Amino acid sequence: EVQLVESGGGLVQPGRSMKLSCAASGFTFSDYYMAWVRQAPKKGLEWVASISYEGSSTYYGDSVKGRFTISRDNAKSTLYLQMNSLRSEDTATYYCARRYPAPFAYWGQGTLVTVSS
Amino acid sequence: DIQMTQSPASLSASLGETVTIECRASEDIYNGLAWYQQKPGKSPQLLIYNANSLHTGVPSRFSGSGSGTQYSLKINSLQSEDVASYFCQQYYNYYTFGAGTKLELK
Repeated sequence: EVQLVESGGGLVQPGRSMKLSCAASGFTFSDYYMAWVRQAPKKGLEWVASISYEGSSTYYGDSVKGRFTISRDNAKSTLYLQMNSLRSEDTATYYCARRYPAPFAYWGQGTLVTVSS
Repeated sequence: DIQMTQSPASLSASLGETVTIECRASEDIYNGLAWYQQKPGKSPQLLIYNANSLHTGVPSRFSGSGSGTQYSLKINSLQSEDVASYFCQQYYNYYTFGAGTKLELK
């Protein structure tokens, strides 16, 4: 069974940094593209970033480009999202997702990030 | 950027009824479309991919159709467990979600 468990969320001040993790199990992690998707409170879904199998290719949504960095450790079956220069509009539940057969075929339970002073 | 316009924003239907949700893309997305269901307090779950392929474990009362810029999700014989929000998403050119449809029981 595919399992994705996010961690690392919480309250952070504007301008500060935070790193999210997603522990994967139930599949061969290195065989799949992975992604982060976020959802602001009571709002819709927004793609944040994606990463290729070995991490050599990364892709970002316009709203986070230059501030967020997606990475992975295949030996630990773990996906990461380093978030710098955080803004109030980054407040959201962050989900990690596995690709195939659709870009976001399997989702974790999410971790809430609140950016506030 | 490809924009996704989803309708209606909310929908009220009776048990056993057939429900249809529409999604329109701002340009041709060549069937690069998925539908997700999100129940309150839960993460989204994939229902349909490639516009009309049913994801593993999804009940057959869900179906997807469409082509070009127009797509739809149909739920036959509505069940109480189908109360949720539904989102479309294009993946022809990066990824864009529709604003969602909140489905309630009448």
